[in-house]
Amino acid sequence: GAGVSQSPRYKVAKRGQDVALRCDPISGHVSLFWYQQALGQGPEFLTYFQNEAQLDKSGLPSDRFFAERPEGSVSTLKIQRTQQEDSAVYLCASSLLRRVQETQYFGPGTRLLVL
Amino acid sequence: GENVEQHPSTLSVQEGDSAVIKCTYSDSASNYFPWYKQELGKGPQLIIDIRSNVGEKKDQRIAVTLNKTAKHFSLHITETQPEDSAVYFCAASYIGNEKLTFGTGTRLTIIP
Repeated sequence: GAGVSQSPRYKVAKRGQDVALRCDPISGHVSLFWYQQALGQGPEFLTYFQNEAQLDKSGLPSDRFFAERPEGSVSTLKIQRTQQEDSAVYLCASSLLRRVQETQYFGPGTRLLVL
Repeated sequence: GENVEQHPSTLSVQEGDSAVIKCTYSDSASNYFPWYKQELGKGPQLIIDIRSNVGEKKDQRIAVTLNKTAKHFSLHITETQPEDSAVYFCAASYIGNEKLTFGTGTRLTIIP
């Protein structure tokens, strides 16, 4: 079946530009996560949704980062006024239920390069 | 918050030999420990996980062991094959905290 999809796969932005990254979770999955993966590092948590509710945004590095999931399905991660340190792979993951410790299924990621 | 350390950062083994990757965690409340495999240009893929109510779990050539007292867990891959070459990440989480805290990864290379 279809997995988690993300678009675009690659994004080059000039410093100061705004970007929007899209995540399509597996159909019917309640939970959705965003992670940031710097080169050579493990993914780091950014934010978590259960349906349309953003339950945890403690990992967002600054107020330039904003995420939404208005209808409880597709999610968008927006980064305003991009900086070079925002360059990373942004991973989206979804899991079936709210029950804790369900398997998280990851998408292929969006590689963001800020020049 | 939780901190997960992973060793080694790189590992090369001959095809057919075994590979072992070790992780330690800091938060004694952690009770779920998944392992992910990440190939170049792809997202992490779950290969095995273990919960704190068991000490060992095995799935064909892959096994994970957990020592709650010492707060460490390990991934064991036996009879390694070229397709096992990838970056492996351990992670931890606990009830009430949905997010995963990942280790820094181990780049495993299988030498034919």
